[in-house]
Amino acid sequence: EAGVTQFPSHSVIEKGQTVTLRCDPISGHDNLYWYRRVMGKEIKFLLHFVKESKQDESGMPNNRFLAERTGGTYSTLKVQPAELEDSGVYFCASSQDQLAGFYNEQFFGPGTRLTVL
Amino acid sequence: QQQVKQSPQSLIVQKGGISIINCAYENTAFDYFPWYQQFPGKGPALLIAIRPDVSEKKEGRFTISFNKSAKQFSLHIMDSQPGDSATYFCAARAMSGSARQLTFGSGTQLTVLP
Repeated sequence: EAGVTQFPSHSVIEKGQTVTLRCDPISGHDNLYWYRRVMGKEIKFLLHFVKESKQDESGMPNNRFLAERTGGTYSTLKVQPAELEDSGVYFCASSQDQLAGFYNEQFFGPGTRLTVL
Repeated sequence: QQQVKQSPQSLIVQKGGISIINCAYENTAFDYFPWYQQFPGKGPALLIAIRPDVSEKKEGRFTISFNKSAKQFSLHIMDSQPGDSATYFCAARAMSGSARQLTFGSGTQLTVLP
């Protein structure tokens, strides 16, 4: 079974440019999460989709970040315009339907390393 | 404000030694505590997890110790091997309510010397 895939693996852009990151979750996983790790710090939650709907976007830093999940399949995270502090590794994770009181493991992709110069 | 604090930031252990990584949390709504292992170029992968109704969970060489009153939990790696060299993240999650995201610690870079 294919795992979570992310594209690109690396992206180097200049301040003010736009970048779009893509995540393909494990087939059949309704839950999709975006996280970000800034160098040396904790992995921070950005947002959570259930199918195509945004369940929780409380972690999105500001309105320069836009996430979409078309048709409840793959997701994109667009940063426009990018700033220096947006540099970091962006992880995507997916999980199956949540059953009450149980934990469904989140499977992580390899991440996209974004560098804003 | 960081809700899960992890230490040490880096750890060097000789092969065969015991690696210990500690985490502390503030949010009493957390009731699921996983540890993730990340190798270079890969995403974090679930290693072992514990619910607070038990004080210890062991899987092979990996053990989680949990102290609910102190709001602390730790990962012990017995007989550490060079292949265990990786970044380890503790995490926490509230099982109730609508929030489903993981709250992570800042990570520990473990190096096991041959």
